[in-house]
Amino acid sequence: DAGVIQSPRHEVTEMGQEVTLRCKPISGHDYLFWYRQTMMRGLELLIYFNNNVPIDDSGMPEDRFSAKMPNASFSTLKIQPSEPRDSAVYFCASRPTPGQGFDGSTDTQYFGPGTRLTVL
Amino acid sequence: GQNIDQPTEMTATEGAIVQINCTYQTSGFNGLFWYQQHAGEAPTFLSYNVLDGLEEKGRFSSFLSRSKGYSYLLLKELQMKDSASYLCAVRNQAGTALIFGKGTTLSVSS
Repeated sequence: DAGVIQSPRHEVTEMGQEVTLRCKPISGHDYLFWYRQTMMRGLELLIYFNNNVPIDDSGMPEDRFSAKMPNASFSTLKIQPSEPRDSAVYFCASRPTPGQGFDGSTDTQYFGPGTRLTVL
Repeated sequence: GQNIDQPTEMTATEGAIVQINCTYQTSGFNGLFWYQQHAGEAPTFLSYNVLDGLEEKGRFSSFLSRSKGYSYLLLKELQMKDSASYLCAVRNQAGTALIFGKGTTLSVSS
């Protein structure tokens, strides 16, 4: 399997512009997570989905952020309008349903390579 | 609420042993994970504890005490390639999501 795929890998935009980050989870994984990582705040969970349904979006910072998962193989995280304080690395991760991990013993999450977002 | 604490930075020399501590106070608990993250890369899974005690995995071991809300990651025979950030994460009660600490940046020198 190719692992979790994210695009773009780098995004530079100007304040006020719309930004869309994309994620393809590992095939067969039922859970998908969006995280944001900064030096100040570390790795923060923004939202996660189970079977394409949002389960917990309490980590989404504000209404400018939205996430969708139209099918089992694709998710987007959108920021509109973007602000300089949104600059961070955004990671997508996926995992199988608890108890059905590929390695049989742990239910770990597998992270994508991340998207480094810079808002000027 | 959720609170996971780890030291910000640690340094060590090649061949040495280092212990990275993690304390947590969370509203639910269903396992503790350690992840390794090299600069500019994604976090990767290192170890997992759900019961009290020590889990050994080659040069890396992880310990958990649920009553104390405490875990540590022990790295033996340090190598330069072990220079990375080490993230402690607690899994929520439902067993579905991980809450991460801010990570400990370990620098290994020769």
